[in-house]
Amino acid sequence: GQQVMQIPQYQHVQEGEDFTTYCNSSTTLSNIQWYKQRPGGHPVFLIQLVKSGEVKKQKRLTFQFGEAKKNSSLHITATQTTDVGTYFCAGRGTYKYIFGTGTRLKVLA
Amino acid sequence: DVKVTQSSRYLVKRTGEKVFLECVQDMDHENMFWYRQDPGLGLRLIYFSYDVKMKEKGDIPEGYSVSREKKERFSLILESASTNQTSMYLCASSFSGEKLFFGSGTQLSVL
Repeated sequence: GQQVMQIPQYQHVQEGEDFTTYCNSSTTLSNIQWYKQRPGGHPVFLIQLVKSGEVKKQKRLTFQFGEAKKNSSLHITATQTTDVGTYFCAGRGTYKYIFGTGTRLKVLA
Repeated sequence: DVKVTQSSRYLVKRTGEKVFLECVQDMDHENMFWYRQDPGLGLRLIYFSYDVKMKEKGDIPEGYSVSREKKERFSLILESASTNQTSMYLCASSFSGEKLFFGSGTQLSVL
């Protein structure tokens, strides 16, 4: 079945450093979504990418969708303590979304 | 604001008990989902429903069943709870192809 792998599993950075998480699917995706889950919270939608090669920005966050629509990345520039949490990608099948395993980000002040 | 409400935040049950987890959404979403979240494994899809009385198995349906009698309500049933079903259970809803809205989750402990 469809699998979505995400790396790294954990990342500790100093505040102000950049951070990137990568998502790879075993199959071509119709679209991909990114979610953030704060500690003790539930996943909250960040963005959806649909087109091959698409790049979207939200302030310090940059999201990319690969040309083959099988991989994606989330890059955070100059991390802040508010960026702490687990970031999930979710690739869309027919009706359902398959989530990656998530990358837990810790930001050290 | 969309609201997805899960009936309990914490639940403690005994092995062999029948457990009902309830989820209600208020945005007329046709799609509803049940995920379980375990450390290092991310969110794994148990069951989903794309319409009333319709249900589809996800990736880990064994030991679970679901019910969707009304559009706003999607119930997850553990027929006979086991210790390996101790987990965080997350309900979500959406319009087709659009973002998921998650409930706050139910942390279930099976003793």
